[in-house]
Amino acid sequence: SQKIEQNSEALNIQEGKTATLTCNYTNYSPAYLQWYRQDPGRGPVFLLLIRENEKEKRKERLKVTFDTTLKQSLFHITASQPADSATYLCALDMRGNTPLVFGKGTRLSVIA
Amino acid sequence: DTGVSQDPRHKITKRGQNVTFRCDPISEHNRLYWYRQTLGQGPEFLTYFQNEAQLEKSRLLSDRFSAERPKGSFSTLEIQRTEQGDSAMYLCASSRTGTHTGELFFGEGSRLTVL
Repeated sequence: SQKIEQNSEALNIQEGKTATLTCNYTNYSPAYLQWYRQDPGRGPVFLLLIRENEKEKRKERLKVTFDTTLKQSLFHITASQPADSATYLCALDMRGNTPLVFGKGTRLSVIA
Repeated sequence: DTGVSQDPRHKITKRGQNVTFRCDPISEHNRLYWYRQTLGQGPEFLTYFQNEAQLEKSRLLSDRFSAERPKGSFSTLEIQRTEQGDSAMYLCASSRTGTHTGELFFGEGSRLTVL
């Protein structure tokens, strides 16, 4: 079955640096890959969606890449701020046939 | 757009009791999903509805779990004879698209603690 691995449980970076989070999957490539932000005790909030035929997608300080050869997506936050501290979840669409499958998430802490 | 609302936000119950959670999705959204999330894990799919029809249920959803969406609007998730392993955050999400590919709008969740 499809497995999703997010690079680490926790990532600490200095304010102003670029945070890079990794999402790896096994088996077949999804048609879509989504990234969500989740704050403690809150529901996830959608950030970006990237399709299999797109290499890169940007939104303000956020950038997502999708490499179907490596079976990997990278999520970048440039000029990170303490307010970016949260858990970031990647989620895969299994070719539209099943609901989104989520990874465990990476907890990002941006230190001032 | 008032967002997805869930009630109650927190529920503490004793093992063996029944609990019911309610979800009100965004009004024009046809799809409604239930996910469960435990500490340190991502959301796990439980079930989803297209309008009032329940189209898929996860193997995680034991016979003690039942979900309804009677008029294609709000939904309820009932857990009978709760067990300590049911302790989790129960998340509801809705989507405006007719497939699984659109973004999900999540509620704030209902946190269940079974003593």
